[in-house]
Amino acid sequence: GEDVEQSLFLSVREGDSSVINCTYTDSSSTYLYWYKQEPGAGLQLLTYIFSNMDMKQDQRLTVLLNKKDKHLSLRIADTQTGDSAIYFCAESMGGRRALTFGSGTRLQVQP
Amino acid sequence: GAGVSQSPSNKVTEKGKDVELRCDPISGHTALYWYRQSLGQGLEFLIYFQGNSAPDKSGLPSDRFSAERTGGSVSTLTIQRTQQEDSAVYLCASSISGENTGELFFGEGSRLTVL
Repeated sequence: GEDVEQSLFLSVREGDSSVINCTYTDSSSTYLYWYKQEPGAGLQLLTYIFSNMDMKQDQRLTVLLNKKDKHLSLRIADTQTGDSAIYFCAESMGGRRALTFGSGTRLQVQP
Repeated sequence: GAGVSQSPSNKVTEKGKDVELRCDPISGHTALYWYRQSLGQGLEFLIYFQGNSAPDKSGLPSDRFSAERTGGSVSTLTIQRTQQEDSAVYLCASSISGENTGELFFGEGSRLTVL
């Protein structure tokens, strides 16, 4: 079956880099996504990567995809207190348009 | 409006009662999704509407759950004979076309508490 897994919690100090990891099981995934949920708000798309790419960089964000191991990571450089949120990994599955989301990783940034 | 609008934002109900949750997607978006977010859990897919196609209901947890989308716009999620395990935040999202490259725009959710 389809499954997307993430660790539940990550704590870093302000200015450090954060790395949030995700594993997925569906080898037919075409796109993989990172969404951010701030307290009391809906999810917002941060970035996505096509499955034929290994890396995508967008300002402070770097997404790495290891398709062989079905492993996706999100690196946030120079983490700020405003980055504190829940980060969801998601995949699109062949044959279904709705995304499958992981359980989310709560990132806590300490000043 | 500019974003996805959901109502009510909070709903407290008694076990056994029926509830209706409403979602008003972004104008022009043909795809509409319902997800459920329980405490400490990820987002659980419930149902997906795409244009005039038959909805993908494969995520609905039981026959107490149903959803409609009228006129390709507003959607209502109905939960009959609510149970305590139905307590969760129900999130609605819409996207332009439902294609996998499309960004999902989420509403702020409807928090349901079943006593």
